Amino acid sequence: EADIYQTPRYLVIGTGKKITLECSQTMGHDKMYWYQQDPGMELHLIHYSYGVNSTEKGDLSSESTVSRIRTEHFPLTLESARPSHTSQYLCASSDLLAGDGPGELFFGEGSRLTVL
Amino acid sequence: QKEVEQDPGPLSVPEGAIVSLNCTYSNSAFQYFMWYRQYSRKGPELLMYTYSSGNKEDGRFTAQVDKSSKYISLFIRDSQPSDSATYLCANTDRGSTLGRLYFGRGTQLTVWP
Repeated sequence: EADIYQTPRYLVIGTGKKITLECSQTMGHDKMYWYQQDPGMELHLIHYSYGVNSTEKGDLSSESTVSRIRTEHFPLTLESARPSHTSQYLCASSDLLAGDGPGELFFGEGSRLTVL
Repeated sequence: QKEVEQDPGPLSVPEGAIVSLNCTYSNSAFQYFMWYRQYSRKGPELLMYTYSSGNKEDGRFTAQVDKSSKYISLFIRDSQPSDSATYLCANTDRGSTLGRLYFGRGTQLTVWP
């Protein structure tokens, strides 16, 4: 079982509030990711990190920000939540596949955010 | 055009049936093809992957890639109720050391006893 944890699992919050979604992994992986998943839609990469002090935006534009001060910790922050931010956010870290493959993604159980 | 196309279903089959799940992709550079399984209220987990064309078998699961037609399949033999989940195909190219994957929408499968 993957050792990657997300909190909170569920969050209902009002418009304009600042929220931070926590993600921690104990596997020592350098690469970490945030994906956004809406029902019946593709997972979209919104942020990724190669390692400490390295963060990049992903394919899907997002108003959220991330930080990577420690290898094991990759929190996502929304400064002012809006109803359009309602979604499920999945954190993942990756290890190498056998050979020079792109790596297996280990996902957390997700944080389901509802902004009223 | 989306990188990966996948019919979201839902697909409902009786226990013991053979299930076929499929994806198509558009990027010829894709060389790694993966299937992730996602149970309700959980994160996806890697089920199996293949490199380039061909078949790969793991127990009741067989992954098949036809690069000439850009078509990916996952077959489940003797399906069980515990196979009920959403199955996501994911692809990436050889140079993606980032590990960036392009996911399909997922196919929701229900296996009823």
